[in-house]
Amino acid sequence: DIQMTQSPSSMSASLGDRVTITCQASQDIGNNLIWFQQKPGKSPRPMIYYATNLANGVPSRFSGSRSGSDYSLTISSLESEDMADYHCLQYKQYPYTFGAGTKLELK
Amino acid sequence: EVQLVETGGGLVQPGKSLKLTCATSGFTFSTAWMHWVRQSPEKRLEWIARIKDKSNNYATDYVESVKGRFTISRDDSKSSVYLQMNSLKEEDTATYYCTTPEGTGYFDFWGPGTMVTVSS
Repeated sequence: DIQMTQSPSSMSASLGDRVTITCQASQDIGNNLIWFQQKPGKSPRPMIYYATNLANGVPSRFSGSRSGSDYSLTISSLESEDMADYHCLQYKQYPYTFGAGTKLELK
Repeated sequence: EVQLVETGGGLVQPGKSLKLTCATSGFTFSTAWMHWVRQSPEKRLEWIARIKDKSNNYATDYVESVKGRFTISRDDSKSSVYLQMNSLKEEDTATYYCTTPEGTGYFDFWGPGTMVTVSS
C-alpha cells in the first residue's frame, strides 16, 4: 500500500500568515492527490485535486504544488474561515490512502 | 442537487453485524463508482471500499483491514449503495461516509456520515 506521510500533525498560525502543509508519498502517485478541508461536524470538502487544480468554489488563496514525492497545500494569506483539519488522499492505486491529517488552529 | 445520505449506524457488540445504506439522488447513479470512507474517533480518515458500475461488472476493492468481513454492494434501481459489516471489531468504531467522484472526478459529493460504535 502507498503510505502518505503528512506534516505537521497540527499547527497554529495568525491571520494573514502563509501556511504550508505537506504530504510525502511512499511510491509514485503521479499527481493523483486530493487535499480535503474538514470542519467540525462536517464532511470532507475537496480543495485541490490532481495535486495542483483548484476545486469548484475554492478561494484562490489556496494552491497545491508538487516537488518529487512531496505534495504541498499552501494558503497564501490565512483567514479565520480556514481553521479546520486538512487531509491528503492519494488515488493513484487501491487501496486509496489518506495522510494522518493536519489540525490548523489560530494562534 | 446531489444528495447522499447514510443510515444504519448505531451501537453494536463486537462480533456482530450491521448494514449501512447510502441513498443517493441528483446524479446518474447507475454509472457512478461508489466508495465508503470512515473516520475514526481520532479523526483519521480511511478509505475502505469501492464498487464500480455495471459496465465494469460491479467490481469491488477493499482495504486489507476489512477484507472478508465487509461487503460493498449496490442497487441501481434504488440509487443506493450498501456496506454489510460482519464480525465487527472495536477498531471499526467510526463515522462512515459514502462518496463518489461522479461528476467532478474528485470526490466532491459526500453524505453527512453515520456513526458506528462497536462496544460491549
